[in-house]
Amino acid sequence: DIQMTQSPSSLAASVGDRITISCRASQSISDYLNWYQQKPGKSPRLLIYGASILQSGVSSRFSGSGSGTEFTLSISSVQPEDFATYYCQQTYSTPRITFGQGTRLEIK
Amino acid sequence: QVQLVESGGGVVQPGGSLRLSCAAFGFAFSNYGMHWVRQAPGKGLEWVASLYYDGSNEHYADSVKGRFTISRDNSKNTLYLQMNSLRAEDTAVYYCAREVTDQWLEHLDYWGQGTLVAVSS
Repeated sequence: DIQMTQSPSSLAASVGDRITISCRASQSISDYLNWYQQKPGKSPRLLIYGASILQSGVSSRFSGSGSGTEFTLSISSVQPEDFATYYCQQTYSTPRITFGQGTRLEIK
Repeated sequence: QVQLVESGGGVVQPGGSLRLSCAAFGFAFSNYGMHWVRQAPGKGLEWVASLYYDGSNEHYADSVKGRFTISRDNSKNTLYLQMNSLRAEDTAVYYCAREVTDQWLEHLDYWGQGTLVAVSS
């Protein structure tokens, strides 16, 4: 199975900061990479698919980049509602998809 | 609007069985592949199983293969997960999710609210 590794595991930021979360695949996955946001007690929400395509209705302060094995999720100016856990997911080997372990974004 | 509603979770003893259901509303269920994803308490997301739109091609994570069965009834707009020989490590919130493909890029665009399965004696 393709392994997905996120870094950092947790990140503290202030409102207005720009932050970046990294995701590395154990083999090349082209651009078959998605990002999800999950808040406590809630189900995951799709933010970005195809490494860089913003899902409809998602704020443009979220952006994604990368291809192959290295990917990043960026938030240009963190807002209070952005404090959550973020997961990357590969669908290169669909339907056997795998997730990263998650990155928790906390308030500094 | 699109809605997925899971049910069937609960407390079960090790070795027991449960059947989860996921009722779909607001879209043509029979046109979409579906997945089950679980999340153990305080842990990350783990893919469990998937099924093509027409009920063909089942796929399972190694951790559940041979114990869990995914199925669907397109006439009832419902996805199922039959879970047998349950273990403590199966304790989790189970989510169903819809798969969409855009420019050959698959992703899970709608998720249910989840149903909790607790395996304990």
